[in-house]
Amino acid sequence: EAGVTQFPSHSVIEKGQTVTLRCDPISGHDNLYWYRRVMGKEIKFLLHFVKESKQDESGMPNNRFLAERTGGTYSTLKVQPAELEDSGVYFCASSLQGNQPQHFGDGTRLSIL
Amino acid sequence: GESVGLHLPTLSVQEGDNSIINCAYSNSASDYFIWYKQESGKGPQFIIDIRSNMDKRQGQRVTVLLNKTVKHLSLQIAATQPGDSAVYFCAENTSGTYKYIFGTGTRLKVLA
Repeated sequence: EAGVTQFPSHSVIEKGQTVTLRCDPISGHDNLYWYRRVMGKEIKFLLHFVKESKQDESGMPNNRFLAERTGGTYSTLKVQPAELEDSGVYFCASSLQGNQPQHFGDGTRLSIL
Repeated sequence: GESVGLHLPTLSVQEGDNSIINCAYSNSASDYFIWYKQESGKGPQFIIDIRSNMDKRQGQRVTVLLNKTVKHLSLQIAATQPGDSAVYFCAENTSGTYKYIFGTGTRLKVLA
């Protein structure tokens, strides 16, 4: 069974540009989560999808971040415009049900110059 | 790896010894706890979980202990091997929410 896959693995962009991260959850997993770790901090929750619906987006830092999951399969996280403080590693996770362990991808390392 | 810039506590153990990694969690309402292992350049990998109606759970070479009175969680690794070298995170969750709250992590170094 393929795990959670994220693309790209690394992205380097300039401040003010736009970047879109993609996550493909484990097949059949309705629950999809985004987390991030910015430098020197813990891994922090961003949001949670059940199928295509946002269940909890309490961790989204501001309106420069937009997450979508059209069709309830893969998800994208767009940052527009990117700021220096957005640099970090963005993780995606999925679970079959909400009360089951979340399985993480290897993350996208985002560097804003 | 992602840990650059993080000042993680480090536990160094001899190969073959047992390791104990500790975690203090923050929310007394948390009722589900998970341990993850993260190797350099990889994402957190699920190791073992425990719900609050238990105080001990065992897996292959790993044991998780939960003390709800003092909000403390530990991960014990038996016969530590070089492949166990990684950063270990505890995470907590409260029923009805699905977001995990992660600890800062502990780096485990296995000495040959």
